[in-house]
Amino acid sequence: QQQVKQSPQSLIVQKGGIPIINCAYENTAFDYFPWYQQFPGKGPALLIAIRPDVSEKKEGRFTISFNKSAKQFSLHIMDSQPGDSATYFCAASREGSGSRLTFGEGTQLTVNP
Amino acid sequence: GAVVSQHPSWVICKSGTSVKIECRSLDFQATTMFWYRQFPKQSLMLMATSNEGSKATYEQGVEKDKFLINHASLTLSTLTVTSAHPEDSSFYICSAKRQNTEAFFGQGTRLTVV
Repeated sequence: QQQVKQSPQSLIVQKGGIPIINCAYENTAFDYFPWYQQFPGKGPALLIAIRPDVSEKKEGRFTISFNKSAKQFSLHIMDSQPGDSATYFCAASREGSGSRLTFGEGTQLTVNP
Repeated sequence: GAVVSQHPSWVICKSGTSVKIECRSLDFQATTMFWYRQFPKQSLMLMATSNEGSKATYEQGVEKDKFLINHASLTLSTLTVTSAHPEDSSFYICSAKRQNTEAFFGQGTRLTVV
């Protein structure tokens, strides 16, 4: 019930492409869904987050799409750049639980020049 | 965003010794701090949650006597790996948050036990 499933495990796109990373969750009590970017040897950094009351959120080149009935959410990166090459993690939490984040397995994104 | 700093960034210690990792929130008071462990090419696994002034809550399977967590102030939490062994080698990451805000992550600490 606490798991968050993420796919794909790895993804290679050309510069300018739109990589899409998908996550699915089981626990309907989750009410906060962030995406993190992590470079090798660094801690994760928050990219964008969404709550279940909206179906889409955009911040710059990053967009989250959220499907509450399907218990799925995805990250789209517009006009991807080589500098976007990193590992991306989705996560979910329930505010009442003290915001313990449950992370997906991660997606290693490579954007080729 | 807020800044969370971990120290040291990397540490090598001998098997059987203890090592302490510090996590500081530099520009805000953190009501809650979290400690994660990450193996190469794997996800972050929550080890424990700590609130200032109270005992840490450990996740199932995490040995509380081996991974000592102290959250003595609103800006500092420490993780001590006691009697470290090579299998404890990992990337340890902390995060800190205030009430009703997002969590901010430290840069991580690479522990190598030889």
